[in-house]
Amino acid sequence: ETGVTQTPRHLVMGMTNKKSLKCEQHLGHNAMYWYKQSAKKPLELMFVYNFKEQTENNSVPSRFSPECPNSSHLFLHLHTLQPEDSALYLCASSQGRDWRDTGELFFGEGSRLTVL
Amino acid sequence: AQSVSQHNHHVILSEAASLELGCNYSYGGTVNLFWYVQYPGQHLQLLLKYFSGDPLVKGIKGFEAEFIKSKFSFNLRKPSVQWSDTAEYFCAVIGGSQGNLIFGKGTKLSVKP
Repeated sequence: ETGVTQTPRHLVMGMTNKKSLKCEQHLGHNAMYWYKQSAKKPLELMFVYNFKEQTENNSVPSRFSPECPNSSHLFLHLHTLQPEDSALYLCASSQGRDWRDTGELFFGEGSRLTVL
Repeated sequence: AQSVSQHNHHVILSEAASLELGCNYSYGGTVNLFWYVQYPGQHLQLLLKYFSGDPLVKGIKGFEAEFIKSKFSFNLRKPSVQWSDTAEYFCAVIGGSQGNLIFGKGTKLSVKP
């Protein structure tokens, strides 16, 4: 148990569907992140939120739309995805956006997305 | 741009063998270095980290890593691996005071009983 919960754990969707991934952290952290984990590739940082404000969008296509209603919840809205978007999407949180606070990210177990 | 290189994609060892996983990074300034581990079916978790001070860092489960600034390296070591060490290991770096955590591709370790 990491204190970071992601739902659903598995998702299969067609290219025309709209779905959302949810992340909730119970650690009292202020920063939250979305990473994409694909086979044989480094984890790719997608979005960073600090105190509900987006501070980083790492050139992610607009078919991925993040939402952070409060410091404990983070969503990733998915629309008209492509098969190459199939991957494990990881949510993480940290105590602060400044790495000098702890430098440690706490990860959820991920949402495995398959786009048909 | 910062990057992290892990040279071994898959390492297979027998129990009690010694382990060294290579990690090199590209960033010219102050860095903070991490090893994360992902056991099968589990979340990524921190194994050890280097911020400053003694370049030889000890982590959980008998792992250690050495920061060699001149070589831009942060290799992970364990003198004697166990079957339970089977996992994927990720090296990561934060460069600068506000940098993001950048990961390598990961090295899958399989330990044969």
